[in-house]
Amino acid sequence: DAGVTQSPTHLIKTRGQQVTLRCSPKSGHDTVSWYQQALGQGPQFIFQYYEEEERQRGNFPDRFSGHQFPNYSSELNVNALLLGDSALYLCASSPPPQNYGYTFGSGTRLTVV
Amino acid sequence: AQKVTQAQTEISVVEKEDVTLDCVYETRDTTYYLFWYKQPPSGELVFLIRRNSFDEQNEISGRYSWNFQKSTSSFNFTITASQVVDSAVYFCALSEALKGAQKLVFGQGTRLTINP
Repeated sequence: DAGVTQSPTHLIKTRGQQVTLRCSPKSGHDTVSWYQQALGQGPQFIFQYYEEEERQRGNFPDRFSGHQFPNYSSELNVNALLLGDSALYLCASSPPPQNYGYTFGSGTRLTVV
Repeated sequence: AQKVTQAQTEISVVEKEDVTLDCVYETRDTTYYLFWYKQPPSGELVFLIRRNSFDEQNEISGRYSWNFQKSTSSFNFTITASQVVDSAVYFCALSEALKGAQKLVFGQGTRLTINP
């Protein structure tokens, strides 16, 4: 049973560019959340998608946007990249009826130069 | 606002020693969930335990045990007879206990190193 799959695993972008990260949730899970983890810090909640809509959002600027597809997979888009966006981006999925724990992927390591 | 504090940034012990990771949280909610996750070098967060705020009973799972004390807003994690494979970063997290998946608020993490 595949867990949460994220792609790519590593990415290097130039300041000002745009990036798209992808996440496939664990089989049977319908809710996807995204977290940003800066080096040496705990993960910070970006937003959550359920039924193809953004249900919750953390304290992140509008440069961060997302999407959920009918098959529950999700994308995280970041526009106008800043050096400070360099981090590990983690995707987490959870099953209905939710709040019984989250399964995390291994993340995408984004480096902005 | 919710907040989780893990005051221990790094801990280093010798194999077979017992080690306790501290977690203190703040929330105005009367019901909430507390979690512990392990993050090995590969990066994924591995779920260890979820505790409902109404359940203050301590839990033991093999070499792992958790002490939840609502009176002091603490949810500490003890590893007994530590092993090198326990080396990782450990995160304590908090979420509201509402219907539907809720965001997790994480502490800064504690880097645990078990030396052979």
